Amino acid sequence: GAGVSQSPSNKVTEKGKDVELRCDPISGHTALYWYRQSLGQGLEFLIYFQGNSAPDKSGLPSDRFSAERTGGSVSTLTIQRTQQEDSAVYLCASSPGGLAEETQYFGPGTRLLVL
Amino acid sequence: GEDVEQSLFLSVREGDSSVINCTYTDSSSTYLYWYKQEPGAGLQLLTYIFSNMDMKQDQRLTVLLNKKDKHLSLRIADTQTGDSAIYFCAERETSYDKVIFGPGTSLSVIP
Repeated sequence: GAGVSQSPSNKVTEKGKDVELRCDPISGHTALYWYRQSLGQGLEFLIYFQGNSAPDKSGLPSDRFSAERTGGSVSTLTIQRTQQEDSAVYLCASSPGGLAEETQYFGPGTRLLVL
Repeated sequence: GEDVEQSLFLSVREGDSSVINCTYTDSSSTYLYWYKQEPGAGLQLLTYIFSNMDMKQDQRLTVLLNKKDKHLSLRIADTQTGDSAIYFCAERETSYDKVIFGPGTSLSVIP
């Protein structure tokens, strides 16, 4: 079946512009995660959605970052007034029920370059 | 706060064993994971261990956990060139907490 998909696969933008990154989780998965992977860095947790619960936003680096998940499925990560340090690969993952022992299935990522 | 540390690089010869080490700070960590990221590919869960276990073995992979020292290791027996990848250690307290990843160890296998 289809895995986690993300779009766009690559995005180049100018400093100060807003960008929207999209994640389509595996159908039926209730948990959705956003991570950021910078060059030479590990994965940095950004935000976690579980079912209809309020999302865990503790990892968002600044108030320029926001995310929403419509209808418990597709999620959009929005970065306002992008900065060069926002350049990274943004990864989305989903898991069936959000349980810790479940595999998180990762998408291919969106490579963001802020000029 | 929580922190997960790993050495950044490891190089081994094909056929040898690889040992990738990880340390974490959160004593409440319940789940500890090893993920693999191959070049140009997404992350893949290799294995995980509960904090009440000392060891878990799965084919060529052996995970050892020293909870007292907060040290986790991944041993890959008979390392192959296809094992070349970045290996991430990660921890999670409960199903309701975020997953904290380490910086990743880049494993290079020399033919």
